Amino acid sequence: AQSVTQLDSQVPVFEEAPVELRCNYSSSVSVYLFWYVQYPNQGLQLLLKYLSGSTLVKGINGFEAEFNKSQTSFHLRKPSVHISDTAEYFCAVRPLDSSYKLIFGSGTRLLVRP
Amino acid sequence: DGGITQSPKYLFRKEGQNVTLSCEQNLNHDAMYWYRQDPGQGLRLIYYSQIVNDFQKGDIAEGYSVSREKKESFPLTVTSAQKNPTAFYLCASAGSHEQYFGPGTRLTVT
Repeated sequence: AQSVTQLDSQVPVFEEAPVELRCNYSSSVSVYLFWYVQYPNQGLQLLLKYLSGSTLVKGINGFEAEFNKSQTSFHLRKPSVHISDTAEYFCAVRPLDSSYKLIFGSGTRLLVRP
Repeated sequence: DGGITQSPKYLFRKEGQNVTLSCEQNLNHDAMYWYRQDPGQGLRLIYYSQIVNDFQKGDIAEGYSVSREKKESFPLTVTSAQKNPTAFYLCASAGSHEQYFGPGTRLTVT
């Protein structure tokens, strides 16, 4: 079975400060990895994805994430956050033995303060 | 405009009534999904369909039913057997690797 852990339920940060949202996963097979963002009362929007190749992936809105296979982690980072980045962030994995099923973490609420 | 539409955005029902949530996509995706989201929790898979006229139960299928008669449409019925139906419901479809989500329907049952 696969699982995704987002240890931080909420991360408060001041505007223009850097931020890292942590994601660890457990899987007996190879996976694809994703980060999604959800603004209040909206659906999820894909921020970035790791399929293969370079372990550092860049996404929209200035976010990037690094895949670390040995630590089974896929942490999301941004060097300087804006108020508009306040949202819920979900890490998800797609095991490569399943049919397009995603397993989601419980989410991290990023709260950017002025 | 390609995408996924869900209607309505807000839905109110009395306890004991069945209610159907709509999900339509024009992305030409074969796979479609229904998730339930509760406050402070991640997404939980209700049902999914990989092809027309076929669907599988997800992790929390009890009290829900679906149909997939057309590639573009994957409606979800919340039946009176669902004990706690009040939640935010998200529909998604899958391309080659990632899933694309609709805007969601917030269902309130009183």
